[in-house]
Amino acid sequence: GAGVSQSPRYKVAKRGQDVALRCDPISGHVSLFWYQQALGQGPEFLTYFQNEAQLDKSGLPSDRFFAERPEGSVSTQKIQRTQQEDSAVYLCASSSDTLSYEQYFGPGTRLTVT
Amino acid sequence: SQQGEEDPQALSIQEGENATMNCSYKTSINNLQWYRQNSGRGLVHLILIRSNEREKHSGRLRVTLDTSKKSSSLLITASRAADTASYFCAPEGAGSYQLTFGKGTKLSVIP
Repeated sequence: GAGVSQSPRYKVAKRGQDVALRCDPISGHVSLFWYQQALGQGPEFLTYFQNEAQLDKSGLPSDRFFAERPEGSVSTQKIQRTQQEDSAVYLCASSSDTLSYEQYFGPGTRLTVT
Repeated sequence: SQQGEEDPQALSIQEGENATMNCSYKTSINNLQWYRQNSGRGLVHLILIRSNEREKHSGRLRVTLDTSKKSSSLLITASRAADTASYFCAPEGAGSYQLTFGKGTKLSVIP
């Protein structure tokens, strides 16, 4: 079956622009996670949704970052007024249950802010 | 922080040899997961070991967990060139939704 998909795969934004990154999780997966991965580092947790509820957003680095999952399936990670330090790969993952289950990752969106 | 720390940072071996990677963490966990990441397939789940388990096998992979030492190891036997990738451990803290990844071990398997 289809895995987690993300779009766009690559995004170049000028500093100050707003961007929106999309994640399509595996159908029926309850949990959805966003991670940020800088070059040479492991993924860092940003936020977690259980269905449409955002239960944890402790990893969002600033109030310029906003994520939503209004119908409990597709999710969008929005970054307002992008800065150079936002350049990274943004990974989305989904999981079939709420805790202690493997996460299935999408290919990521590579964001470059110039 | 529950972040896992992998050791060594880089490992280079000949095809057919075994590769061992270690992970240490700081606080109590529900489970610990290992993931692999390469440019071709992105981040892929390898194995999950729960806090009440000591050892788990999956094909050529063997994972151990020692909760008293707060450490885990991943052994890849009879390595192949296709095993070349970065390997991450991700402890899941008790009651936490988060996986916290370390910087990973970069494994190179030379044909």
